[in-house]
Amino acid sequence: GEEVAQTPKHLVRGEGQKAKLYCAPIKGHSYVFWYQQVLKNEFKFLISFQNENVFDETGMPKERFSAKCLPNSPCSLEIQATKLEDSAVYFCASSLREGPYGYTFGSGTRLTVV
Amino acid sequence: EDQVTQSPEALRLQEGESSSLNCSYTVSGLRGLFWYRQDPGKGPEFLFTLYSAGEEKEKERLKATLTKKESFLHITAPKPEDSATYLCAVRTNTPLVFGKGTRLSVIA
Repeated sequence: GEEVAQTPKHLVRGEGQKAKLYCAPIKGHSYVFWYQQVLKNEFKFLISFQNENVFDETGMPKERFSAKCLPNSPCSLEIQATKLEDSAVYFCASSLREGPYGYTFGSGTRLTVV
Repeated sequence: EDQVTQSPEALRLQEGESSSLNCSYTVSGLRGLFWYRQDPGKGPEFLFTLYSAGEEKEKERLKATLTKKESFLHITAPKPEDSATYLCAVRTNTPLVFGKGTRLSVIA
């Protein structure tokens, strides 16, 4: 399709529980990006993939966060043992190719950790 | 480290009152500057890409310009439906780095 599909739209987890977010990029787009948007519109880059390979993971908190993009499946971002500070909107974006091109964003998953 | 600063944080305009939003950047090796619009509860929606100083892009009531240090998003005769947060982002050899946005409210 022509949109980046993220599910679920909202997710509530108790502190210490696992959270898993999904992203289906636009068909034909080779690059997938995950961003975390916290208060005051701050966008923090987490990780990017080129097809199923990690392309850049410089923003990824290594201890509790993991991500995958497997063939013929939506990409996923998983947070083990969530903490209150993980509460944010997580956006996925896709791009046709690497380089100075704009990304197409999904509508985001709002994660609330209580 | 790449830095993007947007001003003002918030802007309130009367319908028809033209204004400009500013995005100043400090990067090494700019590969592109991007403007996005974000509505509440939605993801950023792509507006423009600018690649080199002097470049200008227009779309309806919006016009984006780029210099070596900053970009402006000019809004001419805005309407209430232009109310949104406008985000600026830069691309170097790293993924997009975003500013914190300008929250625009246009009052009828």
